[in-house]
Amino acid sequence: GAVVSQHPSRVICKSGTSVKIECRSLDFQATTMFWYRQFPKQSLMLMATSNEGSKATYEQGVEKDKFLINHASLTLSTLTVTSAHPEDSSFYICSAHRAGTSYNEQFFGPGTRLTVL
Amino acid sequence: AQSVTQLGSHVSVSEGALVLLRCNYSSSVPPYLFWYVQYPNQGLQLLLKYTTGATLVKGINGFEAEFKKSETSFHLTKPSAHMSDAAEYFCAVKKAGNTPLVFGKGTRLSVIA
Repeated sequence: GAVVSQHPSRVICKSGTSVKIECRSLDFQATTMFWYRQFPKQSLMLMATSNEGSKATYEQGVEKDKFLINHASLTLSTLTVTSAHPEDSSFYICSAHRAGTSYNEQFFGPGTRLTVL
Repeated sequence: AQSVTQLGSHVSVSEGALVLLRCNYSSSVPPYLFWYVQYPNQGLQLLLKYTTGATLVKGINGFEAEFKKSETSFHLTKPSAHMSDAAEYFCAVKKAGNTPLVFGKGTRLSVIA
């Protein structure tokens, strides 16, 4: 149990286009999902917290108009990179909180590799 | 605010030798601590976690870690390294509730034959 999927796993796009990444919790409901970005040979940096039915909370320095997050249901959050540029190329990883434990365990998706040409 | 410091961005050990990856945390509240492993071009895999109870935690692939509150540490060990252990390892901390994991910068483990 507690599987999180991401789609697509890899995407290559031209500069200026928008890319949507989906994060789904397959066998549990997640009121909260998190989006992380990982540059090559670096750690995971939290981009935003996605709460079902409300606006996402962005970390300092993350442009909310560029990285649009929609958490429309208890099993799906989407991240749209708008007008992507080469510097947005990165590994994007989502995680979903499964409620019910004191520490609200977090389960990670397999990640999406975005390459912007 | 919570933070994690991983000492050593790169650790190299011989096959069969002891693996020790260091992690120190800073937290204003009792922390929940995690170790993840990431193989090249892959996502994160949970190795082990400390939430409550026994301070020595055993995980997958023969890894274990000990929570030492007095030292604010959560070092990861494995008695005998295997070639397949070569990967990036991340220590992470979180608070209770719907709070995100905060990751250390990671330690790349190389295993030499």
